[in-house]
Amino acid sequence: AQSVSQHNHHVILSEAASLELGCNYSYGGTVNLFWYVQYPGQHLQLLLKYFSGDPLVKGIKGFEAEFIKSKFSFNLRKPSVQWSDTAEYFCAVNFPSGNTPLVFGKGTRLSVIA
Amino acid sequence: ETGVTQTPRHLVMGMTNKKSLKCEQHLGHNAMYWYKQSAKKPLELMFVYNFKEQTENNSVPSRFSPECPNSSHLFLHLHTLQPEDSALYLCASSAIAEGTYNEQFFGPGTRLTVL
Repeated sequence: AQSVSQHNHHVILSEAASLELGCNYSYGGTVNLFWYVQYPGQHLQLLLKYFSGDPLVKGIKGFEAEFIKSKFSFNLRKPSVQWSDTAEYFCAVNFPSGNTPLVFGKGTRLSVIA
Repeated sequence: ETGVTQTPRHLVMGMTNKKSLKCEQHLGHNAMYWYKQSAKKPLELMFVYNFKEQTENNSVPSRFSPECPNSSHLFLHLHTLQPEDSALYLCASSAIAEGTYNEQFFGPGTRLTVL
């Protein structure tokens, strides 16, 4: 079965530190890739997505992600985090040819400290 | 506001009660989903409806009963729940084009506590 792995369960960073959250998926075919964020007490919302084209995708709030097909990865990055980035981040994958809904990773909790 | 609303936002119920969660989407989507989000556990997909037809039921106990009367409304009927069913229940919707499920839009969730 297709799966999504997020290796970091909890990441703690100081403000202005750089962020990279890992996401790997297990599928060799065409994929659509997503990162969602859930701020404390709020609903899940889309940060960015990749369907095709430039593998470096820019999303909202200064986030970006790079699709590396050879590594089955779609890591999320931000050069300088802020306290307001404290949230849970979910990677998700959609397999278009499989006619399946999104498969989510377990999530990574990011805590940004002042 | 994502265009997906859920009511109630909080629900406390006893194990013998029967209650229903409601979800409504105003986005013109044709697929709707129920997820369970528990502390320290991954997001669990429970049910998927595609054009009002249930397409997935991920081994969910029968004490959870979904209903999708039309593509804009989704219900989750609850009866004789267990304390371990306490969680945040999320509804989501998405468009489906040419067999591909697109990005999902989530509601705020219903925080369920089973006593």
